[in-house]
Amino acid sequence: AQSVAQPEDQVNVAEGNPLTVKCTYSVSGNPYLFWYVQYPNRGLQFLLKYITGDNLVKGSYGFEAEFNKSQTSFHLKKPSALVSDSALYFCAVRDRRDDKIIFGKGTRLHILP
Amino acid sequence: DTAVSQTPKYLVTQMGNDKSIKCEQNLGHDTMYWYKQDSKKFLKIMFSYNNKELIINETVPNRFSPKSPDKAHLNLHINSLELGDSAVYFCASSQEGLQGASNYGYTFGSGTRLTVV
Repeated sequence: AQSVAQPEDQVNVAEGNPLTVKCTYSVSGNPYLFWYVQYPNRGLQFLLKYITGDNLVKGSYGFEAEFNKSQTSFHLKKPSALVSDSALYFCAVRDRRDDKIIFGKGTRLHILP
Repeated sequence: DTAVSQTPKYLVTQMGNDKSIKCEQNLGHDTMYWYKQDSKKFLKIMFSYNNKELIINETVPNRFSPKSPDKAHLNLHINSLELGDSAVYFCASSQEGLQGASNYGYTFGSGTRLTVV
């Protein structure tokens, strides 16, 4: 069965600094990988995905993520954080043979002005 | 136009009552889902329907019964509500399904916050 781990409950970053939100996954086959963001009292919004091809994936709002097969990781990154990036971030994985997406427990990102 | 819409947005009810949450998507997607987000923000899949057919039924009490009258709608009915049912319930849809392959993630509704008192 697939699983996702987000080892950090919270990440604090000063505005303007680079940020990284960590994610590792476990699937039996090749994965589809996703990042979603949830703002307070809102639904989840799609940020980016890895399906195949280039390991560096670029998404919305200047975010990017790097697929690392050997480390089974898909860390979310941004070169320069904004206060408006403060939100709850979910990593998710789907085994290509399965029809459901499994979410990590979420990482709360605080960008400090 | 809202792509995935859920009603109601908030629902406060007493223990033992029966309630329904409705979900509609206008994206033409084949597959719809219900997820539960608990107080710790953990998201867990409950059900998935593809073209009105149940394809995923996770370990959920049988007090929860999904109903899909057509592929654009997936409603969630909950009988005999309990305190532990309090959570935010998210509906989602996606284009792929049993056909698998092509890609992608889900489009989520804005959630229904259920509070059982």
